[in-house]
Amino acid sequence: SAVISQKPSRDICQRGTSLTIQCQVDSQVTMMFWYRQQPGQSLTLIATANQGSEATYESGFVIDKFPISRPNLTFSTLTVSNMSPEDSSIYLCSGLGLTGGNEQFFGPGTRLTVL
Amino acid sequence: KNEVEQSPQNLTAQEGEFITINCSYSVGISALHWLQQHPGGGIVSLFMLSSGKKKHGRLIATINIQEKHSSLHITASHPRDSAVYICAVRSYNTDKLIFGTGTRLQVFP
Repeated sequence: SAVISQKPSRDICQRGTSLTIQCQVDSQVTMMFWYRQQPGQSLTLIATANQGSEATYESGFVIDKFPISRPNLTFSTLTVSNMSPEDSSIYLCSGLGLTGGNEQFFGPGTRLTVL
Repeated sequence: KNEVEQSPQNLTAQEGEFITINCSYSVGISALHWLQQHPGGGIVSLFMLSSGKKKHGRLIATINIQEKHSSLHITASHPRDSAVYICAVRSYNTDKLIFGTGTRLQVFP
């Protein structure tokens, strides 16, 4: 199985600023994903992070707001830009294992509060 | 109607009770996951199923593909089992996970 770590684990930010969340996997994964979980809601897929190319965004999410990088098979970043209180959520990184069987692993999440 | 429905939404139990959480889905799937989310927000994958039944310690997960239904059972529940349990299915068409809204379980001593 893969172990996923995220930094920071939580942050409180001011409106209008940006925050970059880092995701590190301890082994190679085929695909990496970023999810958002708003208070009291289930997880929503923001985008699939593609190695060496632009991420694939889901409907309702755009690159200008959520730029994503994935420079190699084990690392990705998500930036939440020009934040507003509506961006207050848990952001989770996830990876799909290389070993087959579609096992998907999740990071511990980053709890973001925007004032 | 959500593609993945869980019941109940909230569940309280006394320590030692047998607990069942249900998940129904309406899409074609390649696999179903049961996930556990603790108050800090991190998610742990408990099971991935494509057929039959799996057991890990006090946890048992079953799936009935024909009925599009899965259950998660916890035997001899303990306060440390208190968490949100999420059912998620991997869509056969899109290969992406679709999540249920979760079941909040509280086990009291």
